[in-house]
Amino acid sequence: QQQVKQSPQSLIVQKGGISIINCAYENTAFDYFPWYQQFPGKGPALLIAIRPDVSEKKEGRFTISFNKSAKQFSLHIMDSQPGDSATYFCAASYPSPDYKLSFGAGTTVTVRA
Amino acid sequence: DAGITQSPRHKVTETGTPVTLRCHQTENHRYMYWYRQDPGHGLRLIHYSYGVKDTDKGEVSDGYSVSRSKTEDFLLTLESATSSQTSVYFCAISQTGQETQYFGPGTRLLVL
Repeated sequence: QQQVKQSPQSLIVQKGGISIINCAYENTAFDYFPWYQQFPGKGPALLIAIRPDVSEKKEGRFTISFNKSAKQFSLHIMDSQPGDSATYFCAASYPSPDYKLSFGAGTTVTVRA
Repeated sequence: DAGITQSPRHKVTETGTPVTLRCHQTENHRYMYWYRQDPGHGLRLIHYSYGVKDTDKGEVSDGYSVSRSKTEDFLLTLESATSSQTSVYFCAISQTGQETQYFGPGTRLLVL
């Protein structure tokens, strides 16, 4: 049973547009929420991460919004570029000592020029 | 790929044969992980290690075993490969456990 539910499965956005990916979780024990970006044929790479005591974190064009009471978090990609075309995974981590990550199913983002 | 290599990168094997995948790191990170990636499932944790000879199961550990005799190497063994184990396998490492996990390039395994 997937512990982190991610939507949509795929999305297409025009260059310059905003991409929004949503994730929801049930287990309130999770205390670290990273997003990973994966290009075809490569391993995932950490994009941005947040802890539940913060409601928003921004790094460049990428922003995580976190709603602890709703147990939801989302990734916003502003001014989307063709180079952002990739698969994005949200994840949630258990605290010490396990530190195990549970991943969402992934969202394939295609940015049209 | 943060000093992580996986071998082999591609493998085709037959049902019932044992298969061992190797992950090698040069970063001296304490934590090492094995994931499998399948369409519609994201990445699922198979096994992980929090130190030499210290390993534990993940969410999809049935049919897999691991060993870590040195800090730098983490081996994943499919004891008797089945077609359901056809997947892309990723190794990851982490210095502290919870912070960034760095992923290797992956091994594509086909079980016929």
